Amino acid sequence: DTEVTQTPKHLVMGMTNKKSLKCEQHMGHRAMYWYKQKAKKPPELMFVYSYEKLSINESVPSRFSPECPNSSLLNLHLHALQPEDSALYLCASSREGQGWTEAFFGQGTRLTVV
Amino acid sequence: QKEVEQDPGPLSVPEGAIVSLNCTYSNSAFQYFMWYRQYSRKGPELLMYTYSSGNKEDGRFTAQVDKSSKYISLFIRDSQPSDSATYLCAMRGTGANSKLTFGKGITLSVRP
Repeated sequence: DTEVTQTPKHLVMGMTNKKSLKCEQHMGHRAMYWYKQKAKKPPELMFVYSYEKLSINESVPSRFSPECPNSSLLNLHLHALQPEDSALYLCASSREGQGWTEAFFGQGTRLTVV
Repeated sequence: QKEVEQDPGPLSVPEGAIVSLNCTYSNSAFQYFMWYRQYSRKGPELLMYTYSSGNKEDGRFTAQVDKSSKYISLFIRDSQPSDSATYLCAMRGTGANSKLTFGKGITLSVRP
């Protein structure tokens, strides 16, 4: 099973809303990632969690707040987003805690900020 | 110069054609090389994964890495309409915090 599950698949939120994106994997992977992907662009790394600790934050604005409650779950809390934050948000996981082997992606949450 | 350059595309081929997708890179520290396939409005799907130089074959797909030329390729034999997607090359080094660097992606269309 190489599945990374993301919910919800689609999300529309206002600029004053608070929402959360969820990601789950049961492959025993110890590294989990959040990426943002705009149309016709490659994914851009936002955060990396390694052994449930935040190891990389790519200077992401504080209106995005990641959380890793356990080794299988990863959340991304959203607050006071801007319309330009509309994108496909992808979660990924990989086997190693530090460093990367092949990374498996979820299907993404398509976020629209209105 | 970008770290990873990928042919811009788009690419349109007839069904049954052999497709060659290519990326070049500048960072000699890259050791792990991946190809992802992404269908419209879906997440990237890992297609091929190779370490260092050499070839790897999986069904109709062959990945080649030439580290001396800093050049990687993905060949698709007997292409099918279901292969129509965006293909992203990605690579990283071996360091603990080495990040995955993607090419821009190329959109392939296989005409029936």
